[in-house]
Amino acid sequence: RKEVEQDPGPFNVPEGATVAFNCTYSNSASQSFFWYRQDCRKEPKLLMSVYSSGNEDGRFTAQLNRASQYISLLIRDSKLSDSATYLCVVNMNTGFQKLVFGTGTRLLVSP
Amino acid sequence: DVKVTQSSRYLVKRTGEKVFLECVQDMDHENMFWYRQDPGLGLRLIYFSYDVKMKEKGDIPEGYSVSREKKERFSLILESASTNQTSMYLCASTPLEAGELFFGEGSRLTVL
Repeated sequence: RKEVEQDPGPFNVPEGATVAFNCTYSNSASQSFFWYRQDCRKEPKLLMSVYSSGNEDGRFTAQLNRASQYISLLIRDSKLSDSATYLCVVNMNTGFQKLVFGTGTRLLVSP
Repeated sequence: DVKVTQSSRYLVKRTGEKVFLECVQDMDHENMFWYRQDPGLGLRLIYFSYDVKMKEKGDIPEGYSVSREKKERFSLILESASTNQTSMYLCASTPLEAGELFFGEGSRLTVL
């Protein structure tokens, strides 16, 4: 089983739609979780951290489900500019800064 | 703004050549990382460094070495490039043990 798994997509949605991605992780001791966004041929950039209580930033909501070992990202009112690959990142805490990246979920928002 | 600069955006090298990829950050971050990114495999950690002259192997260090002589600079070295090292290489830095990673724009290396 991969340490961090994501559905590669692509998720094709129209503008204004709500879309959700999940990411599962294997190490139950993992403590820190993040969503990064990567545009085509660009570097990844932090979108948001995922806290135990969940967190929201505008149209984006991140949730953590420790019992089932997954995190989720919900995007409401999708914009064309949301088209990108979303990377799930988990700090496995097995040593110094053991960040494991998922392979990413590609989102395509169409007019 | 944090700036992580990678020396070359695109490189084409021949098998057996020595390759240097340089990364410089301007925010006095202690921790620096080298990843490679391949389709279907995601980002994989090659080496990281948490202090000057300190280095730690990541998940895929074979065929690579690193150098950190100054805090702001972290170099990745391919002693003898091979075709399976064709990839996108990403440098990153962070000031905290579990903080946000700031990435450079990446260096796309092709080994012929």
